[in-house]
Amino acid sequence: DIQMTQSPSTLSASIGDRVTITCRASQSISDSLAWFQQKPGKAPKLLIYKASSLESGVPSRFSGSGSGTDFTLTISSLQPDDFATYYCQQYKVYSFTFGPGTKVDIK
Amino acid sequence: EVQLVESGGGLVQPGGSLRLSCVGSGFTFSDHHMDWVRQAPGKGLEWVGRIRNRPRSYTTEYAASVKGRFTVSRDDSENSVYLQMNSLKTEDTAVYYCSRSPPGGILDYWGQGSPVTVSS
Repeated sequence: DIQMTQSPSTLSASIGDRVTITCRASQSISDSLAWFQQKPGKAPKLLIYKASSLESGVPSRFSGSGSGTDFTLTISSLQPDDFATYYCQQYKVYSFTFGPGTKVDIK
Repeated sequence: EVQLVESGGGLVQPGGSLRLSCVGSGFTFSDHHMDWVRQAPGKGLEWVGRIRNRPRSYTTEYAASVKGRFTVSRDDSENSVYLQMNSLKTEDTAVYYCSRSPPGGILDYWGQGSPVTVSS
């Protein structure tokens, strides 16, 4: 299986901060990478697919970049609704795998 | 509006069986692959399995942790996907989500989840 890692595991930030989360795959996955946001007790929500494509309805402050093995999710100006856990996921090779998650909390 | 609604979760003893259902609405169910993803209490997300659509011959894929014990099936006439879980273990305790996937692989809509507890 392809292993996915994320850093940091926890991130403390303030409203208006620029936030960057990193995801790394154990082998090349081209651009078959998605980012999800999950709030407690809720289902994950797709934010980014194909590494950098913004899902319809997702605010433009979210962006993704990268290809191959290294990827980033950036929130340009953190808003109150953005405090959540973020997961990356590769869908290049079965079985699909998720990163361990990055919790973004209030500083 | 796309909706996915899971049902069938509950408490089951180790070694037992359970069948989860997921009904989709607001989209052409038969066009999509359907996936199951689980989340153990306080843990991250784990992909469980997929059933592809009719053009892809309803073929399936499974995570190694459930292969041979879990089976994904679907009934397009009922807009439903199922997860048959046999030989359940305590480590299968989780919230189980169904998700739709347009051909291309992404999991773009998720249900609200169905909790499964495996305990004696």
